[in-house]
Amino acid sequence: KAGVTQTPRYLIKTRGQQVTLSCSPISGHRSVSWYQQTPGQGLQFLFEYFSETQRNKGNFPGRFSGRQFSNSRSEMNVSTLELGDSALYLCASSSFGDSYNEQFFGPGTRLTVL
Amino acid sequence: AQSVTQPDIHITVSEGASLELRCNYSYGATPYLFWYVQSPGQGLQLLLKYFSGDTLVQGIKGFEAEFKRSQSSFNLRKPSVHWSDAAEYFCAVGAGGSSNTGKLIFGQGTTLQVKP
Repeated sequence: KAGVTQTPRYLIKTRGQQVTLSCSPISGHRSVSWYQQTPGQGLQFLFEYFSETQRNKGNFPGRFSGRQFSNSRSEMNVSTLELGDSALYLCASSSFGDSYNEQFFGPGTRLTVL
Repeated sequence: AQSVTQPDIHITVSEGASLELRCNYSYGATPYLFWYVQSPGQGLQLLLKYFSGDTLVQGIKGFEAEFKRSQSSFNLRKPSVHWSDAAEYFCAVGAGGSSNTGKLIFGQGTTLQVKP
């Protein structure tokens, strides 16, 4: 079974631009979660999607948004980029998103904002 | 609120020595606990998980962890470390509850360095 894939792997943007990141979950998994990883804040939960609906959201500004398609693929978008948005963005898939479902992570997208 | 603490930011061990990485959690009910490993520039790989039952759980790559409710701990161990184990290790707890779907709460991570 193929793992979680994320595209692109690396992105360089400038302040004020917007960016879209993509995540393809493991086949059959319906829950996709997104995390931001930075050296200062560690791994922080952004949001979770299940069956095209956002079920849970972390404490991030509205500039961070996402969506999920009928095939469970998910995208996240960051608008009006700030320097502090530079981070590794990880997506993870699980079967149903319940707390006892292990999450399988993709390799991440490294976003650099200049 | 749930939280996870990994007291050791950085640990160095000699190859072949034993390893123990500490993890303490704060959670009201029975926690769902996980250990992940991250190599530089990579995503997270699940090492093992605890949901219920036997408090000693075995994982991949020769790792094991013991759940101790009285100490709110879930420490990761390995009897003999290999150079390839050098990486960052994260302890995590499932946030729990119907309003916390898909959310893992992570500790700050422990970086393991292995001396030859």
